[in-house]
Amino acid sequence: NAGVMQNPRHLVRRRGQEARLRCSPMKGHSHVYWYRQLPEEGLKFMVYLQKENIIDESGMPKERFSAEFPKEGPSILRIQQVVRGDSAAYFCASSPVTGVTDTQYFGPGTRLTVL
Amino acid sequence: AQTVTQSQPEMSVQEAETVTLSCTYDTSENNYYLFWYKQPPSRQMILVIRQEAYKQQNATENRFSVNFQKAAKSFSLKISDSQLGDTAMYFCAFCDSGSARQLTFGSGTQLTVLP
Repeated sequence: NAGVMQNPRHLVRRRGQEARLRCSPMKGHSHVYWYRQLPEEGLKFMVYLQKENIIDESGMPKERFSAEFPKEGPSILRIQQVVRGDSAAYFCASSPVTGVTDTQYFGPGTRLTVL
Repeated sequence: AQTVTQSQPEMSVQEAETVTLSCTYDTSENNYYLFWYKQPPSRQMILVIRQEAYKQQNATENRFSVNFQKAAKSFSLKISDSQLGDTAMYFCAFCDSGSARQLTFGSGTQLTVLP
């Protein structure tokens, strides 16, 4: 059973460009979460999605950031007009439907570098 | 809002010895879940162990065990027979049992196992 897949693993963008990060959850998982890890810090929650629904986006910056999890295909975290402060590791996690709270399994992360 | 505190930024242990990593948290919830994740140099986030707050028995996974003290809001991780492969950053994380399924992470403890 393949784990959570994220691509690309490394992404370099210049200031003002757009970054698109992709996440495919584990098979059978319908809940997706995005977290950001700034250098030398712990992970910070950004957004929680189910298929075609944003459940909780309380951790998302108000501007330039958006996320989606379409009926078909991977979840996408999109950052428009990137700035140097967006340089970080972005982790996706997934969990199954069953249970009130289930363990979140993480992907390998995407390291975004903004030049 | 929940907070998670890891007061030991760095620790080291000799191979085959036992080490305990500390974690405290603050919450007004009665039902919740606690996790330890490790992040080795590969930066992948790997689940180590999970504890449900309603369970009095401490969770154990092979060489990893926890000391869960609900009244004190303490959740320490004990690693027995430490191995070189245990070298990693260890993060304590909290998740309440309601609809907000986001994980709140501590700042991490860098553990180095010495040969």
